[in-house]
Amino acid sequence: KAGVTQTPRYLIKTRGQQVTLSCSPISGHRSVSWYQQTPGQGLQFLFEYFSETQRNKGNFPGRFSGRQFSNSRSEMNVSTLELGDSALYLCASSAETPAVGELFFGEGSRLTVL
Amino acid sequence: KNQVEQSPQSLIILEGKNCTLQCNYTVSPFSNLRWYKQDTGRGPVSLTIMTFSENTKSNGRYTATLDADTKQSSLHITASQLSDSASYICVVSGGGANNLFFGTGTRLTVIP
Repeated sequence: KAGVTQTPRYLIKTRGQQVTLSCSPISGHRSVSWYQQTPGQGLQFLFEYFSETQRNKGNFPGRFSGRQFSNSRSEMNVSTLELGDSALYLCASSAETPAVGELFFGEGSRLTVL
Repeated sequence: KNQVEQSPQSLIILEGKNCTLQCNYTVSPFSNLRWYKQDTGRGPVSLTIMTFSENTKSNGRYTATLDADTKQSSLHITASQLSDSASYICVVSGGGANNLFFGTGTRLTVIP
């Protein structure tokens, strides 16, 4: 069974640019959630999608957005990048809501903003 | 305020030794508590998930305990190996809206 796939694994952007990250969940999982991980803050919840609908959202500015497609693949977008957006962005898939079901994480997308 | 605190922040132990990591939480109501292992540059991997009624759960050399009355959990690693070097993250589910609350992790280094 293939795991969660995130692309790209590494990327470098400059301030003001935008970025799109992709996540393919485990086959059959309809929930995809996104997290930002920084050394100082640890893991922070961004949002969760289930069957193409955003079910839950963390406390991040509107520059962070996401969507989910009919095949459960998900993308997140960060517009007008700031230096503080440099982080490891993780997605996780689950057969149930993340708070109940087991989370399977991808390897992450490492974003560096210069 | 719903919070998860882990201690110590970092730990260095000799290969073959045992160690215990702590997790205290204030999340209420409580749904479940998870421990994840995260190797450097990789995504977290689930070690255990414990609900209110479970007070001990093992996964190989990893044993998690939960005391829901005192809101404390521990992760005990037996006979440590170099491959145990990683960050260990405690995550608590609950808080009414069934959110996830993350600890900042314990960085474990096992040295030969």
